[in-house]
Amino acid sequence: GAGVSQSPSNKVTEKGKDVELRCDPISGHTALYWYRQSLGQGLEFLIYFQGNSAPDKSGLPSDRFSAERTGGSVSTLTIQRTQQEDSAVYLCASSSSTGLVYTFGSGTRLTVV
Amino acid sequence: RKEVEQDPGPFNVPEGATVAFNCTYSNSASQSFFWYRQDCRKEPKLLMSVYSSGNEDGRFTAQLNRASQYISLLIRDSKLSDSATYLCVVIDSNYQLIWGAGTKLIIKP
Repeated sequence: GAGVSQSPSNKVTEKGKDVELRCDPISGHTALYWYRQSLGQGLEFLIYFQGNSAPDKSGLPSDRFSAERTGGSVSTLTIQRTQQEDSAVYLCASSSSTGLVYTFGSGTRLTVV
Repeated sequence: RKEVEQDPGPFNVPEGATVAFNCTYSNSASQSFFWYRQDCRKEPKLLMSVYSSGNEDGRFTAQLNRASQYISLLIRDSKLSDSATYLCVVIDSNYQLIWGAGTKLIIKP
């Protein structure tokens, strides 16, 4: 696609429910990052994919968070048993290679009530 | 010490003024450097890459000082539309993106 696409753009969920966020990177981009950003805060690194593998999962806040990437393309970030502190904007970025410019999607705004 | 540090601001600057931000990084082996701009409730967007020789794009000038491990962004003749948060990004020797927390700029008429 022309840009990085994320869905849904907004998600309101009840505490304790599972949610799945999707990122569709720019076609051919091998590197993919997930970040989250709370209101007024900086970017918090979650996980990085190179192809389908995740060399760095160090940013995942807890074992309720998991992510996968299939076919070197679409990635999903799953949050199980959501908590109110999970409320944030979840941003995905992709790049054609490591070390080059990253393009962001417009994010998924998650609200846990 | 954070790997990438920025003054959070906010910088309140009158329209037409020149404003400069610095960003320091701790890893001397860092490879690439960028400035991103983020508007309120929007995703970050690339403003410019930062090259060792320095680079200019219109009213914006970016410079890298490897010896002192900082990058700078200079905005001349600031416009109201320049109001945003400016994020410094460093790519380290492991190709990991390290983000600064951002500097908030408010341009006042």
